Amino acid sequence: SAVISQKPSRDICQRGTSLTIQCQVDSQVTMMFWYRQQPGQSLTLIATANQGSEATYESGFVIDKFPISRPNLTFSTLTVSNMSPEDSSIYLCSVEDRGRGPYGYTFGSGTRLTVV
Amino acid sequence: DAKTTQPNSMESNEEEPVHLPCNHSTISGTDYIHWYRQLPSQGPEYVIHGLTSNVNNRMASLAIAEDRKSSTLILHRATLRDAAVYYCILRDNTGGFKTIFGAGTRLFVKA
Repeated sequence: SAVISQKPSRDICQRGTSLTIQCQVDSQVTMMFWYRQQPGQSLTLIATANQGSEATYESGFVIDKFPISRPNLTFSTLTVSNMSPEDSSIYLCSVEDRGRGPYGYTFGSGTRLTVV
Repeated sequence: DAKTTQPNSMESNEEEPVHLPCNHSTISGTDYIHWYRQLPSQGPEYVIHGLTSNVNNRMASLAIAEDRKSSTLILHRATLRDAAVYYCILRDNTGGFKTIFGAGTRLFVKA
């Protein structure tokens, strides 16, 4: 099964600044997914990132606020731009992982972001 | 992806079995049933999956109803480390491989 390294694990940021979260996978994967988990809530999909193409964003999420890069088949970044306290959440990346059964996934450990 | 319904929370005593139910009445013939759990301060982790038959692995068992409209995740002996949010998810490739999470069931385990 895939192993994901997600960095940073946590950060405290000033409002108006940006934070870039990195997701490194130990194997090549076609699709990577970015999720947000607000305090006490379930996971909400932000976007799907395919290598070599623009990310596909879900309703309510826009590229200017959450730009995503996918330079190769093992790496992706998510930037949270112009942050406000409402962006305080856990951000997670995940990849399709056939070791977890058909259409199964492996998740990173998450980045806990606090905006002050 | 079809919708699933789970109880918001459940409680169990340590070392007793736990049965976590999931209803998925609109499941299609190609949907796989996946269970994930999220321990405190961690990302979700895979627990088990199945299609039609009951499944066992080292973590849990999955019992699937004959009509596939419901399933039950069984933890045979709950430990304090099993306290987590458990998500039941239906997966096939028609959703573009993305996964939509419901609210899940928060399992409390009492010593």
